[in-house]
Amino acid sequence: GEQVEQLPSILRVQEGSSASINCSYEDSASNYFPWYKQEPGENPKLIIDIRSNMERKQIQELIVLLDKKAKRFSLHITDTQPGDSAMYFCAASGAGNTGKLIFGLGTTLQVQP
Amino acid sequence: EAAVTQSPRSKVAVTGGKVTLSCHQTNNHDYMYWYRQDTGHGLRLIHYSYVADSTEKGDIPDGYKASRPSQENFSLILELASLSQTAVYFCASSVLGDYAEQFFGPGTRLTVL
Repeated sequence: GEQVEQLPSILRVQEGSSASINCSYEDSASNYFPWYKQEPGENPKLIIDIRSNMERKQIQELIVLLDKKAKRFSLHITDTQPGDSAMYFCAASGAGNTGKLIFGLGTTLQVQP
Repeated sequence: EAAVTQSPRSKVAVTGGKVTLSCHQTNNHDYMYWYRQDTGHGLRLIHYSYVADSTEKGDIPDGYKASRPSQENFSLILELASLSQTAVYFCASSVLGDYAEQFFGPGTRLTVL
């Protein structure tokens, strides 16, 4: 089936630095790319998303870039804080208007003081 | 506040036994989903539904059944639980259409012994 590749699986950064997570997708018809954050023992929560008619979106310290031609998108967290430590999942919409999302395997971000 | 709730939150089942996981949403959403989460596998879609009394197979439906008796309720049924079905199960809901955020429940930790 369709897959979303997400790298790296583990990311360790120093507090105050930037963190970047990269994803790639297969289906050129995918038009919606959300990012979810999951704290330990909690459920995933949407933090930012981007639609296929955009190349860049920023919400505070979160920046998402989309390159449709390369079928890649990325999350950049600027000025990371200890509270940013969590698991992050990227996802791409599945074929057809089904609401389906295909998730990447996740990235564990560890922000070290 | 609109919410997705799951019951039970944790369950221990015996191999070969029947397990039913329940999900209830007050979001008035048409779409509901069941995912499983395993370490190293991210979130994988088992079944989903876009209307009451109808369910669709997701990416990993084998060994699972689903039931959507009403818009608010969506159940996941393991007729013959197996060791390999030990995982955390998340239910989610969303509105109909593209760009729809999925709202996740708190998860059910299932251990099959």
